[in-house]
Amino acid sequence: EAGVTQSPTHLIKTRGQQATLRCSPISGHTSVYWYQQALGLGLQFLLWYDEGEERNRGNFPPRFSGRQFPNYSSELNVNALELEDSALYLCASSRTLEAFFGQGTRLTVV
Amino acid sequence: GIQVEQSPPDLILQEGANSTLRCNFSDSVNNLQWFHQNPWGQLINLFYIPSGTKQNGRLSATTVATERYSLLYISSSQTTDSGVYFCAAGGSNYKLTFGKGTLLTVNP
Repeated sequence: EAGVTQSPTHLIKTRGQQATLRCSPISGHTSVYWYQQALGLGLQFLLWYDEGEERNRGNFPPRFSGRQFPNYSSELNVNALELEDSALYLCASSRTLEAFFGQGTRLTVV
Repeated sequence: GIQVEQSPPDLILQEGANSTLRCNFSDSVNNLQWFHQNPWGQLINLFYIPSGTKQNGRLSATTVATERYSLLYISSSQTTDSGVYFCAAGGSNYKLTFGKGTLLTVNP
């Protein structure tokens, strides 16, 4: 059974641009979560999607947004990129409470 | 929200030694997970353990929910056990709050 897959693995963007990160959950999982791991800030909750709806949001500005598609895959969009958005972005999926994580997308903003 | 504290922040062991990592959480939880972050950044699931005791090979974990702590035991450590170990706790809102992690270094 395939795990959570994220793409791309690495992404380099210029300040002010937009970034789009993608996540495919484990088959049968309806919930997708996004977390940010920035240097020195630890792992912080960004967004939770379930059955196509945004269920919960962390303490991040509105330029962090996303969506979940009918096949339960998800996109995270970051607009007006800032240097401090450079981080590892981890996606997780779950069917119940236990979350399983993908390998992450490392976003670098220059 | 839930607060999660892990200790110790750093741990250095010789191969073959045993270790105990601790996770304290501030409120009752529906979810308690232990992860090992590999060198490429992926979080590898070790245990889903909101209460009770589980074992998987050389690793075991115990969560005492009433006292709001969880312990991860690593026996006969190997160099491949090196890395960062995270505890994460969640309540009814399905959001996981992570501790700052324990950086384990196992020397040959």
